[in-house]
Amino acid sequence: AQKVTQAQTEISVVEKEDVTLDCVYETRDTTYYLFWYKQPPSGELVFLIRRNSFDEQNEISGRYSWNFQKSTSSFNFTITASQVVDSAVYFCALSEGGSGTYKYIFGTGTRLKVLA
Amino acid sequence: DSGVTQTPKHLITATGQRVTLRCSPRSGDLSVYWYQQSLDQGLQFLIQYYNGEERAKGNILERFSAQQFPDLHSELNLSSLELGDSALYFCASSPGSLANEKLFFGSGTQLSVL
Repeated sequence: AQKVTQAQTEISVVEKEDVTLDCVYETRDTTYYLFWYKQPPSGELVFLIRRNSFDEQNEISGRYSWNFQKSTSSFNFTITASQVVDSAVYFCALSEGGSGTYKYIFGTGTRLKVLA
Repeated sequence: DSGVTQTPKHLITATGQRVTLRCSPRSGDLSVYWYQQSLDQGLQFLIQYYNGEERAKGNILERFSAQQFPDLHSELNLSSLELGDSALYFCASSPGSLANEKLFFGSGTQLSVL
């Protein structure tokens, strides 16, 4: 079954702290894609990153980094030196297969509050 | 601005009523997805259309139906509304029907059922 679990419902940190958002997924497919989206207070979800199941290389983009580990079925997201503007709800998502019929499902999200 | 337009932004109605939510995808995008966001269940996938045809179905209730029209805009119809249907409904679009495509989201329709 296809499933995404974000066990952390809400996290509060003080500005400049590092924070890691966890994402654990379940899938039977060997080909799948993982995503992170950000939902700021304005409400519209914004794409952050995509990873395919054959590429376990970690990625860093500025203060953001992502750690993909197939052995633990995890795709964690770390924000270094957090800022107030990082306050948002972050969603992890999973999509299986190549094309045609597939479901693009999301976890329940983690609300991050960065305090000044 | 994602280029995905949802109307109306807010909708207040009573139990038992029927409403229609509308979504215009980004120019050139052929796929439209509908999601329901409630406080306790996160983003629930409802349904996906590609170029007018239903492609995937999620946890969509029988009281809900959707369609995608030849001009690619989509409508989500919710009928016999219940208090529990109050939620934020998002539409998203993507260029094709590949599983690796990123989604572009609209700003959502906030539905309140009183």
